[in-house]
Amino acid sequence: QQQVKQSPQSLIVQKGGISIINCAYENTAFDYFPWYQQFPGKGPALLIAIRPDVSEKKEGRFTISFNKSAKQFSLHIMDSQPGDSATYFCAAAYGNKLVFGAGTILRVKS
Amino acid sequence: GAVVSQHPSWVICKSGTSVKIECRSLDFQATTMFWYRQFPKQSLMLMATSNEGSKATYEQGVEKDKFLINHASLTLSTLTVTSAHPEDSSFYICSARVGARHEQYFGPGTRLTVT
Repeated sequence: QQQVKQSPQSLIVQKGGISIINCAYENTAFDYFPWYQQFPGKGPALLIAIRPDVSEKKEGRFTISFNKSAKQFSLHIMDSQPGDSATYFCAAAYGNKLVFGAGTILRVKS
Repeated sequence: GAVVSQHPSWVICKSGTSVKIECRSLDFQATTMFWYRQFPKQSLMLMATSNEGSKATYEQGVEKDKFLINHASLTLSTLTVTSAHPEDSSFYICSARVGARHEQYFGPGTRLTVT
């Protein structure tokens, strides 16, 4: 119930391509869905977040798509660049807590 | 804005000693701070939640006597790992939140190695 399932575990994309990472949840009490980017040896940085009353949110090259009925949300990275190579975590929040997905290691090949 | 710092960034200590890690919100007042633990190539696991001036709330399975958390002010929380053992070696990350907002801002993490 508290889990957030994230896929794929790892992803290789060509420079300029679209990177897509998917997450699914069960608990309908979640009311905030952020995505974090983490580089090796660093803390996670908030990329973009969405609330369940919105189906899509775009910030620059990053877009979240949210499907409330399917309890799924995804991150799209357009025009992926080598500098985007990092680990991406989806998360879901209720009350005080953030529940993280397992993470996706993205590698963008130049 | 929303910068969180941690000190030290890495520490090596001997088994049986204690280590203190500081987490500071630099440009905002954090009503709530969180401590996470992350093993290599794994996700973040919440250890405890602390509110300024009150006792921390620990997640199930986290030993409160081993991982002492103090949130003495709106900009500082500390995590003390007492009687550290090699299995405590990990990446410890704090985060801070403003008021009732969901957004959590993370520190850069502290790499603890216990020898």
